[in-house]
Amino acid sequence: NAGVTQTPKFQVLKTGQSMTLQCAQDMNHNSMYWYRQDPGMGLRLIYYSASEGTTDKGEVPNGYNVSRLNKREFSLRLESAAPSQTSVYFCASSEAFDLAQHFGDGTRLSIL
Amino acid sequence: GQQLNQSPQSMFIQEGEDVSMNCTSSSIFNTWLWYKQDPGEGPVLLIALYKAGELTSNGRLTAQFGITRKDSFLNISASIPSDVGIYFCAGQKGETSGSRLTFGEGTQLTVNP
Repeated sequence: NAGVTQTPKFQVLKTGQSMTLQCAQDMNHNSMYWYRQDPGMGLRLIYYSASEGTTDKGEVPNGYNVSRLNKREFSLRLESAAPSQTSVYFCASSEAFDLAQHFGDGTRLSIL
Repeated sequence: GQQLNQSPQSMFIQEGEDVSMNCTSSSIFNTWLWYKQDPGEGPVLLIALYKAGELTSNGRLTAQFGITRKDSFLNISASIPSDVGIYFCAGQKGETSGSRLTFGEGTQLTVNP
């Protein structure tokens, strides 16, 4: 039972480099989400995909893009990484948009 | 944007004690969720509440959806060392579009054996 799988688990980038974070879920969920978690700020929504073929901005979308590749996969791309994007990134999925979300174990990203 | 006020921010208790934490909001939510996060892992869903006034248990955990729909409470009875972690509340309006989870900032729980 993998649930939500995120790759990579850790990554260090230099300022200006690009990077794609991968997320896949095996629960046949319709909705998928990307969050970032920073100390003292809880989880903040970057982008979400309510269903396959749709994506929408969350609370903090600037500097990111997403792709809902298929029902299982939802990727997050940093086109030109900045130190302010150093964070832990979590992918989540839910069966439907208004049901409880299940999270992956995160990608720890450091940008120097 | 929407904000959830979660309290307390941290708790230090002795094994065997009961724990209470809560979340309040100025907005109405249709869903309240409680998650636990262990170090180096993602949040794990503990309890989901979908109806105002609902009281739901999961083992030693009990959570309630406030009747005003602006608050929720989580209680842990007879705490054990593995209860250590960060507990997050999350509220969701449940609209067909733009419905997003809003998270509290977490309660860090430490249990002393």
